Amino acid sequence: AQTVTQSQPEMSVQEAETVTLSCTYDTSESDYYLFWYKQPPSRQMILVIRQEAYKQQNATENRFSVNFQKAAKSFSLKISDSQLGDAAMYFCAYRSGDYGGSQGNLIFGKGTKLSVKP
Amino acid sequence: DGGITQSPKYLFRKEGQNVTLSCEQNLNHDAMYWYRQDPGQGLRLIYYSQIVNDFQKGDIAEGYSVSREKKESFPLTVTSAQKNPTAFYLCAARQPGQGAGELFFGEGSRLTVL
Repeated sequence: AQTVTQSQPEMSVQEAETVTLSCTYDTSESDYYLFWYKQPPSRQMILVIRQEAYKQQNATENRFSVNFQKAAKSFSLKISDSQLGDAAMYFCAYRSGDYGGSQGNLIFGKGTKLSVKP
Repeated sequence: DGGITQSPKYLFRKEGQNVTLSCEQNLNHDAMYWYRQDPGQGLRLIYYSQIVNDFQKGDIAEGYSVSREKKESFPLTVTSAQKNPTAFYLCAARQPGQGAGELFFGEGSRLTVL
C-alpha cells in the first residue's frame, strides 16, 4: 500500500522569505501523480500544485514550485516570497495512475502547519 | 460558478442518532468521495463512487453509509454504529481522464456529537 509522510508538523517563515515543506512517499508503482493542497482556516482544500510522475520537469505555479526526486521518492514544496495569506495547513497527496486501475482517491499525509510572521 | 456544496456546515447530534450530510456538485464529474479529517490525522477515505448507482468502501467505512442515485448528489449518513463520529467531513469530486485527476473539494461539514 502507498503511504505519504510529512515529517514537519509545523513550520514557520518570515514574510517575504522562502520556505520548503517536505514530503516523502512510498510506492512500487511507476505511474502516479503527486499534489500539494492548502487548507486555510476556512477549512476548504485548495489545490496548490500537481506533478505527473512521468514528467521530469518540476512543476511551478507562480510563487510555488516543487522539487520532485522520483528515485528518492521525495516531493517537496517551495514557497517563495511568502505572504501572510500563505499561512495554512499544507497536505501532500498521492494518486495511483489510471493504468493501474486507480480508483482516483488521494492518499494524504498528515499535514504541515505553516505560520507566516510579519 | 461550478463547485461542490456541502450542508450543513455545522451539525450537532446526540448519541444514538443517525445524521445525513449532504454533498451536491454541479461540475458534472463522475467520481465522488467522502473523507474524514481529524486533528493530526490528515484525511482518510470513507466511501467513494465512480458512477451513479455504484459505490465502494474506503479505509474507514464502518459506521457510515452512502447512496448515489443521481450524478450530482452523494449524501453520507453517519449512523449510531460509528463509535467516534465527531470530526470534519469533506466531500470531493473528480472527472476521470481529465488533467492529473485532482480532487475538487467542498467547504466541509463539522459534526459534533453531544
